[in-house]
Amino acid sequence: KQEVTQIPAALSVPEGENLVLNCSFTDSAIYNLQWFRQDPGKGLTSLLLIQSSQREQTSGRLNASLDKSSGRSTLYIAASQPGDSATYLCAASGAGSYQLTFGKGTKLSVIP
Amino acid sequence: KAGVTQTPRYLIKTRGQQVTLSCSPISGHRSVSWYQQTPGQGLQFLFEYFSETQRNKGNFPGRFSGRQFSNSRSEMNVSTLELGDSALYLCASSPGTEFYIQYFGAGTRLSVL
Repeated sequence: KQEVTQIPAALSVPEGENLVLNCSFTDSAIYNLQWFRQDPGKGLTSLLLIQSSQREQTSGRLNASLDKSSGRSTLYIAASQPGDSATYLCAASGAGSYQLTFGKGTKLSVIP
Repeated sequence: KAGVTQTPRYLIKTRGQQVTLSCSPISGHRSVSWYQQTPGQGLQFLFEYFSETQRNKGNFPGRFSGRQFSNSRSEMNVSTLELGDSALYLCASSPGTEFYIQYFGAGTRLSVL
């Protein structure tokens, strides 16, 4: 059974700082890994999806990496802004399945 | 293109009642999945439908059921509500491409009193 862990549960940084969010998973036989953002009381916004054959994906100030052998993924946010404050969730899916297994998220606060 | 639409956005029910939630996927998407989000358990998978067939089911009691219509719209039903069913229920749709990317709706907030 896949288990996904995100550490830390909460993170507070000053505006402008670069930061890394961590995600680990127990079953390396994943098909892809997806990073989401969730604002309070809202749904999930997809940020990046990394296929199992890829090592990283980039979108603007965001860069996500995937290391299947070690069961880890990281989300790098460059030059953080107050608008980046949200909960960030990672989720893994297995081959042939739309079922996502989520971590519990990292709540990010960017202080102006 | 319109996103995933969930209705209603908020619901208040009492224990023992039943409730039906609706999800309209992005046009052209054939897969719809449902998730429950609570502060304690986080996001948990309920079930997934593809072309009106349930393909996958999470570890929830039989009080939780769903269906998908020919236009890909999906409904989720919870019977005999319990206090612990209070949660944000999220629906996700997928185009059915090989990458299995999921797009989520804003959710339905269910409160059981």
